Amino acid sequence: EVQLVESGGGLVQPKGSLKLSCAASGFTFNTYAMNWVRQAPGKGLEWVARIRSKSNNYATYYADSVKDRFTISRDDSQSMLYLQMNNLKTEDTAMYYCVRRLGLDYWGQGTTLTVSS
Amino acid sequence: ETTVTQSPASLSMAIGEKVTIRCITSTDIDDDMNWYQQKPGEPPKLLISEGNTLRPGVPSRFSSSGYGTDFVFTIENMLSEDVADYYCLQSDNLPLTFGSGTKLEIK
Repeated sequence: EVQLVESGGGLVQPKGSLKLSCAASGFTFNTYAMNWVRQAPGKGLEWVARIRSKSNNYATYYADSVKDRFTISRDDSQSMLYLQMNNLKTEDTAMYYCVRRLGLDYWGQGTTLTVSS
Repeated sequence: ETTVTQSPASLSMAIGEKVTIRCITSTDIDDDMNWYQQKPGEPPKLLISEGNTLRPGVPSRFSSSGYGTDFVFTIENMLSEDVADYYCLQSDNLPLTFGSGTKLEIK
């Protein structure tokens, strides 16, 4: 069974930093591209970032809204996905989901980030 | 960037009625459209993936059609358990872009 478990969310002040983690299991993690998708309270879904597999040189891609502030990474030896978030803004407040593959087939339960002073 | 325009924003349907949601894309995405159901407090669930492919375990009352820029999602014979938000997603190119969502309620 595919499982994705996010952690690391919390309350952060504007301009602060935080790192989200996602533990994957139930599939061959190192062969799949992985994504972060977020959902602000009461709002729709927004794709945030994607990282491809080792065979695709771990290429990374970002939404314009987070480019140069967020960094997606992975540790295939631990089946872990990460999102390092710097210079956080109030508009980054959202539930952050870890999601498998380009077609976003399996989602974790999410971890909540609140950016507020 | 491909813009996805989803309509309607909300629907109120009676049990047993047919539900139709439409997504129009600003660029040709072949059949790289996906459809999700999200219930309150839960993550989105993929119902239909690229190529109008019904995911395993998803009831056959859910279906989709479309190619290019015009896509339709259908629920035949709505059930009470279908009350949820529905989103379309284009996975043809980055950035991945979602429709704005449709809130489905019971009349």
